[in-house]
Amino acid sequence: SQTIHQWPATLVQPVGSPLSLECTVEGTSNPNLYWYRQAAGRGLQLLFYSVGIGQISSEVPQNLSASRPQDRQFILSSKKLLLSDSGFYLCAWTRGVAGVLRSYNEQFFGPGTRLTVL
Amino acid sequence: GNSVTQMEGPVTLSEEAFLTINCTYTATGYPSLFWYVQYPGEGLQLLLKATKADDKGSNKGFEATYRKETTSFHLEKGSVQVSDSAVYFCALTPYGGSQGNLIFGKGTKLSVKP
Repeated sequence: SQTIHQWPATLVQPVGSPLSLECTVEGTSNPNLYWYRQAAGRGLQLLFYSVGIGQISSEVPQNLSASRPQDRQFILSSKKLLLSDSGFYLCAWTRGVAGVLRSYNEQFFGPGTRLTVL
Repeated sequence: GNSVTQMEGPVTLSEEAFLTINCTYTATGYPSLFWYVQYPGEGLQLLLKATKADDKGSNKGFEATYRKETTSFHLEKGSVQVSDSAVYFCALTPYGGSQGNLIFGKGTKLSVKP
């Protein structure tokens, strides 16, 4: 069976510090991977998605970046955090054919990371 | 563009009450429609989905029907339980897969009291 892991579960960081959140998927190959942010009162916003190693698409301009160094690893980073980066960050995956983004497959979400920037 | 609008919460109901959470969408073509549920402190889980007009998705006593004429996908349950307390998200993916991402509504928080 497939599982998705995120860590850390919670994080408190000062403004201006760097960030690295990790997401890994087990039990599948060539998944499409996604990073979402859930901010209070604003619902879920797609930040990045990836259809393969080294392939990253950004949905909104921001202070964050993403990387996919391995097939089942997706990393969210920042060089200098802002107060507005606080939120609940969710990683998700769908079954995908390499290089193809499938829109109608169910997305499976990880447990999330709650980030507080002070 | 593509968007999802769902009713503002929070919604507070007594156990065994009837639930409706409204969801309407704007999209070109024929999107797929979803309801996701987020229990406290957890990630999202797919609750049900419908991929074409007039399809009815159902799961755990919840139902939603894809109504293209009214561009709606309202979530209903005949008798809610305390364990249904969660945040519910309506979402769509545009037809064709070229975008491939889920577009979510803002979520509706449901609290069920015993």
